[in-house]
Amino acid sequence: QKEVEQNSGPLSVPEGAIASLNCTYSDRGSQSFFWYRQYSGKSPELIMFIYSNGDKEDGRFTAQLNKASQYVSLLIRDSQPSDSATYLCAASGASGSARQLTFGSGTQLTVLP
Amino acid sequence: NAGVTQTPKFQVLKTGQSMTLQCAQDMNHNSMYWYRQDPGMGLRLIYYSASEGTTDKGEVPNGYNVSRLNKREFSLRLESAAPSQTSVYFCASSPPDGWDEQFFGPGTRLTVL
Repeated sequence: QKEVEQNSGPLSVPEGAIASLNCTYSDRGSQSFFWYRQYSGKSPELIMFIYSNGDKEDGRFTAQLNKASQYVSLLIRDSQPSDSATYLCAASGASGSARQLTFGSGTQLTVLP
Repeated sequence: NAGVTQTPKFQVLKTGQSMTLQCAQDMNHNSMYWYRQDPGMGLRLIYYSASEGTTDKGEVPNGYNVSRLNKREFSLRLESAAPSQTSVYFCASSPPDGWDEQFFGPGTRLTVL
């Protein structure tokens, strides 16, 4: 069974610090990896995806992928209170007639003013 | 573009009642998905549709049926609601030429008494 594991947290960081969120996946056939942000009571919002080993940067966010270790991470630099949310990691894979995502259970991040 | 829309936003049912959750997307996406989200359980796939006219079971299909009415619309039906189906339901869609990213609707919060 395909699995995506995340530390559930909660993770607390002070404002301005770097928040580091981690994720491991079990399916070596996964090709793309996604980070979603979900505010309380809202739907998941895609913030980054990565498909090549290494780093991918977008503003204050950096996604890192290590396929050999089956490890994905998200770094949030200069964390702001507005970054407080649950972050979901997902891995893509083929199963049945369509590509599917397997989601982790999420890491709750709190950025303290 | 409205993106992915869902109706209703909230619903309360009694055990045994039936209802249909509606989902529509205006992004010309081929694949559509229905998830449920329960506390501590992450997002679990109920059903998905790779294209108009096709549907497949996901991880937790029991108690649900779906219809892919056309390319835009994908509905989820609860024939005889049970308290275990109390959850938040999200519809998502995925573009045909992307990296398997999915975009979510705002969700339906369902309570079954």
